[in-house]
Amino acid sequence: DAGVTQSPTHLIKTRGQQVTLRCSPKSGHDTVSWYQQALGQGPQFIFQYYEEEERQRGNFPDRFSGHQFPNYSSELNVNALLLGDSALYLCASSRRGELTYEQYFGPGTRLTVT
Amino acid sequence: AQKITQTQPGMFVQEKEAVTLDCTYDTSDQSYGLFWYKQPSSGEMIFLIYQGSYDEQNATEGRYSLNFQKARKSANLVISASQLGDSAMYFCAMRDFTGFQKLVFGTGTRLLVSP
Repeated sequence: DAGVTQSPTHLIKTRGQQVTLRCSPKSGHDTVSWYQQALGQGPQFIFQYYEEEERQRGNFPDRFSGHQFPNYSSELNVNALLLGDSALYLCASSRRGELTYEQYFGPGTRLTVT
Repeated sequence: AQKITQTQPGMFVQEKEAVTLDCTYDTSDQSYGLFWYKQPSSGEMIFLIYQGSYDEQNATEGRYSLNFQKARKSANLVISASQLGDSAMYFCAMRDFTGFQKLVFGTGTRLLVSP
């Protein structure tokens, strides 16, 4: 049973460019959440997708957008990259409605903006 | 709004000793869950232990236990018999039960276990 997978592992982009990060949830999970973790900080919630719709959003600008596909996989898009967008981006999956507490995290994508 | 505070940027412990990592939280919700995650240098967040706000017993998972003091709003992680592989960042987090599963994290504590 594969866990949460993310691609790519590392990415280097230039200011102003756009980037797409991908996440496949754990088998049986239907909800995907994205987090941004800057160096030396805890993860910050970006948004959550369920039934192909954004259900909840953290304090991130509209440059951050996402998508969820019918197979529950998800993409995170960031437009007009800034140096401050350099971070580890974590994807977490879970199953909506369950009171099981555990969100399963992927290994993350480390984005560097130069 | 929910908030997690971890006041220990770094902790040192010798192998085989016990260590306590502090976590305090703030929320106006009556129902919530508290978590501890371990993050090795590889970056992946590894779930360690969970405590529900209505759980009467402190949670335990192997060498990990959670010292839950609801009135003081604290949820400290106790690692017994530390191992070299325990060296990592440790994050305390919480979520509410509104149906969304957003986690709010603290800033983390770096634990270093020495031989």
